[in-house]
Amino acid sequence: EIVLTQSPGTLSLSPGERATLSCRASQSVSSSYLAWYQQKPGQAPRLLIYGASSRATGIPDRFSGSGSGADFTLTISRLEPEDFAVYYCQQYGNSMYTFGQGTKLEIK
Amino acid sequence: QVQLQESGPGLVKPSETLSLTCTVSGGSVSSTGYYWAWIRQPPGKGLEWIESIYHSGNTYYNPSLKSRVTISVDTSKNRFSLKLSSVTAADTAVYYCARHLNWGARYFDLWGRGTLVTVSS
Repeated sequence: EIVLTQSPGTLSLSPGERATLSCRASQSVSSSYLAWYQQKPGQAPRLLIYGASSRATGIPDRFSGSGSGADFTLTISRLEPEDFAVYYCQQYGNSMYTFGQGTKLEIK
Repeated sequence: QVQLQESGPGLVKPSETLSLTCTVSGGSVSSTGYYWAWIRQPPGKGLEWIESIYHSGNTYYNPSLKSRVTISVDTSKNRFSLKLSSVTAADTAVYYCARHLNWGARYFDLWGRGTLVTVSS
């Protein structure tokens, strides 16, 4: 099983600032198989990024994904109030899907 | 547009079987290339993929849960189902149904709203 470790666990920033979230895999992951989700309280996760760097339909361009191999990054260029949420990375490998434990992005 | 809706009991007793159904509306569970999945999230914790099924009945699963999970699809009713046996308090979670492709980039592009299942006597 490929384990995804997200850091930091909690990120405290202010609106307008830049957020950088990390997702590290226990072994190399195909970039095609790496995705990012946003989850707000009481809601289902929402797909943000797939294929490591492709934005899902309707996702603002302030969200971007990058990385390869075992290290991936989600960047939010300028935080809007609605961006404060929990973010999860997800991978597919060895016929299994796994998720990271999440990064909580909170207002400073 | 395609929507998913989970349904089933919100309370299950320990050692019993949890049963949930996900109904697909605005689309077909037989859509080519799409797999249908169950994912769960214990309160305050992260996401865990349980299993996925194609309309043909082909499945792939999380080995950690495989011995207790049965997933099925009913194309006539446009829905798919999950059964989890011998439940304990650790199975208390919000259960989501979701959709993913089985080729190209692998991600869950459509989710139900989720249903909370509590395991308690």
